[in-house]
Amino acid sequence: AQSVTQPDIHITVSEGASLELRCNYSYGATPYLFWYVQSPGQGLQLLLKYFSGDTLVQGIKGFEAEFKRSQSSFNLRKPSVHWSDAAEYFCAVGYGSGNTGKLIFGQGTTLQVKP
Amino acid sequence: DTGVSQDPRHKITKRGQNVTFRCDPISEHNRLYWYRQTLGQGPEFLTYFQNEAQLEKSRLLSDRFSAERPKGSFSTLEIQRTEQGDSAMYLCASSPRRTQTYNEQFFGPGTRLTVL
Repeated sequence: AQSVTQPDIHITVSEGASLELRCNYSYGATPYLFWYVQSPGQGLQLLLKYFSGDTLVQGIKGFEAEFKRSQSSFNLRKPSVHWSDAAEYFCAVGYGSGNTGKLIFGQGTTLQVKP
Repeated sequence: DTGVSQDPRHKITKRGQNVTFRCDPISEHNRLYWYRQTLGQGPEFLTYFQNEAQLEKSRLLSDRFSAERPKGSFSTLEIQRTEQGDSAMYLCASSPRRTQTYNEQFFGPGTRLTVL
């Protein structure tokens, strides 16, 4: 069955430090991959997406992610974390062509930023 | 603001009561999704509409749950005889008519349901 795994439930980094959030997926066909961010009490905001082409994708707020097919991974990175980045981050796989387009989400990683 | 809106934002109810949530998608979007998110988990797919047709339902959607999208615009999600296990955030998302391999979904702020 298709699934998304985010191995780290909770991560704490110091402000200004680099960040990497891990995501592994299990999906038979070409994956459509997403990272969303959710602040407390808020809906989901799309950070970036990968459909095809260049495996390094840039998103909003200075985030980037790299698709590695051989490792079934789509890790999210940021070179320098800001206190406002503290939130919950979700990786998701989208069912594409011929399907409904529904998303399968990982369980999320909570990011805490130390001053 | 022309984003996805949901009403109410919060609902507290007693076990056994019925509740109904509303979602207004982005106006030109013909695809609409409902997801449920429990504490500490990622959202889980519940159901999908293309225009007014409900084309997929998750096994999570028990017979106490019903969703409609009567004119292909707004959608409602009703839960009958609520149980404490129904307490969750209910998220709505919409996406435009498929013009490419995959279309991005835009999420609303969610309705948080608490069943006492």
